Amino acid sequence: GENVEQHPSTLSVQEGDSAVIKCTYSDSASNYFPWYKQELGKRPQLIIDIRSNVGEKKDQRIAVTLNKTAKHFSLHITETQPEDSAVYFCAWTGGGADGLTFGKGTHLIIQP
Amino acid sequence: NAGVTQTPKFQVLKTGQSMTLQCAQDMNHEYMSWYRQDPGMGLRLIHYSVGAGITDQGEVPNGYNVSRSTTEDFPLRLLSAAPSQTSVYFCASSVSSYNSPLHFGNGTRLTVT
Repeated sequence: GENVEQHPSTLSVQEGDSAVIKCTYSDSASNYFPWYKQELGKRPQLIIDIRSNVGEKKDQRIAVTLNKTAKHFSLHITETQPEDSAVYFCAWTGGGADGLTFGKGTHLIIQP
Repeated sequence: NAGVTQTPKFQVLKTGQSMTLQCAQDMNHEYMSWYRQDPGMGLRLIHYSVGAGITDQGEVPNGYNVSRSTTEDFPLRLLSAAPSQTSVYFCASSVSSYNSPLHFGNGTRLTVT
């Protein structure tokens, strides 16, 4: 699959502050952009996703924005809490049968 | 509803041994896939299947075989284990390959010595 660039690789924020993670993709045919959260020793779990006909989607403290022209999408977490500490992966699919391609992950650390 | 079930949870192999990682889902998903996860590398696709009787290679297929005789099961075979195959393996399934979320199993931690 095509590459997904995910930044930053590590992000440390104070509890209560916001966190933003950005991913850039290369295939203009991509149409589905999920974000996964993985806690230590656990499986990745979907936290939010967005499709190419939508620019923004929100679910309580979590939001995802998509800029198809610039080929990037971002995860925004507001009012961060200790339980937000985890590794977050972006992913995208270009419509092919091979499914999702994942970024390399961002380790989010919430400082008390 | 168990979702995606993987066995075993942990496995230690010697170089050259073979084994099968089991994966089963009870959600009637057509699409199933295997990923490996290595530190700093994210999740890389090994093999995938869009339905019973159909399999194809992903990004890192060498050293692995798969089959899909039923909708529910998608085993991953290591033919001759190598230390480079030490990793955490995740099986996942979804309704379709292109616009639906993946549901992951709990993973298998494999060590090859």
